Amino acid sequence: KQEVTQIPAALSVPEGENLVLNCSFTDSAIYNLQWFRQDPGKGLTSLLLIQSSQREQTSGRLNASLDKSSGRSTLYIAASQPGDSATYLCVSTGGGADGLTFGKGTHLIIQP
Amino acid sequence: EPEVTQTPSHQVTQMGQEVILRCVPISNHLYFYWYRQILGQKVEFLVSFYNNEISEKSEIFDDQFSVERPDGSNFTLKIRSTKLEDSAMYFCASSKGLAGPYEQYFGPGTRLTVT
Repeated sequence: KQEVTQIPAALSVPEGENLVLNCSFTDSAIYNLQWFRQDPGKGLTSLLLIQSSQREQTSGRLNASLDKSSGRSTLYIAASQPGDSATYLCVSTGGGADGLTFGKGTHLIIQP
Repeated sequence: EPEVTQTPSHQVTQMGQEVILRCVPISNHLYFYWYRQILGQKVEFLVSFYNNEISEKSEIFDDQFSVERPDGSNFTLKIRSTKLEDSAMYFCASSKGLAGPYEQYFGPGTRLTVT
């Protein structure tokens, strides 16, 4: 059964810093890896999706990488802003009708 | 841009009551999903649904849960006799195809509070 672990559980950094969020997964037979953002009490916003054949995806200040062989993904946030404060979820997808497997998330606070 | 919608946004019910959570998936999507998130915990898969039947379900999805697509647009999750531990945020999602290249799109969630 797939397990997704995210480190750190919480992170607080000053505005403007670059930062890296880490994710590891136990079963490398994933179809894709996705990063979501969740604001308190709110829904899930998809940030980046990396297909298993890809190494990375970029969107604006966000860059996500995937290393299937080692079971790791990272989310890099450049020039962080207070509006980036949220919980970031790492999610793996198998190839069937199974649902997604979520990590518990990294709670990020960007200090103004 | 098309989006998944869910109603109500917040539902309060008494233990033992039946609740129905409603979702309208994106119109050309074929696969539908329910997830739940207990406060402070991970989002967990409950069930996937395709072609008017359940495709997969997790161990959480026991006999008190059921899903239905009563018409061409709605997708519902019914909890027959709610328990305190059913209090959670419930998310609906839909996709064009099976997981893989087909991204799942999530609704805003329904917060269920069982008292």
